[in-house]
Amino acid sequence: SYVLTQPPSVSVAPGQTARITCGGNNIGSKSVHWYQQKPGQAPVLVVYDDSDRPSGIPERFSGSNSGNTATLTISRVEAGDEADYYCQVWDSSSDSAVFGGGTQLTVL
Amino acid sequence: QVQLQESGPGLVKPSETLSLTCTVSGGSISTYYWTWIRQPPGKGLEWIGHIYYIGTTSYNSSLKSRVTISVDTSKNQFSLRLSSVTAADTAEYYCARQATIFDAFDIWGQGTMVTVSS
Repeated sequence: SYVLTQPPSVSVAPGQTARITCGGNNIGSKSVHWYQQKPGQAPVLVVYDDSDRPSGIPERFSGSNSGNTATLTISRVEAGDEADYYCQVWDSSSDSAVFGGGTQLTVL
Repeated sequence: QVQLQESGPGLVKPSETLSLTCTVSGGSISTYYWTWIRQPPGKGLEWIGHIYYIGTTSYNSSLKSRVTISVDTSKNQFSLRLSSVTAADTAEYYCARQATIFDAFDIWGQGTMVTVSS
């Protein structure tokens, strides 16, 4: 089955840029979606189709996808961005949705 | 706007069947894929499976033998049944919506915690 690999944790100072990667075999050929999950809350979609943002999501959130790595970039990080972030794709070979293991973003 | 709400028992005994329902409000259940996702305490998200509004299903291969997802369009609801549960099935269970299988889960329910214990 298809595997998505994320770093367990990323730390960044306020105002800096956080980059969270999601690795997968030829992931550049798939549409990647990113979710933010704060403690005790349901996940929220922050980037879809590699780089699009749902309405209401700040422009500070952006995404890219090429080769074997997709990246969620959060610019000008704020304390309120501290959360777990998950990438997700649809794997046609197994006919299933796949999530990465999640990355805990810590704002120092 | 469309909202999803999970409902069902919060405690299930080992070897019994877990049953949850997701009610769709503010919109029609038609033309979308409706999904169940779970998250064990302190762990990541796991896709359980989905149903298209006409009844076509797809399940996680690791759970396929125990999972059934069904839809009731007249009630704007879809349901999850997971049989022969063990402590490993203890998790927060979420329902969510997708426009197509390649699209993101754009709307999520708030989640419901299910504990498997005697």
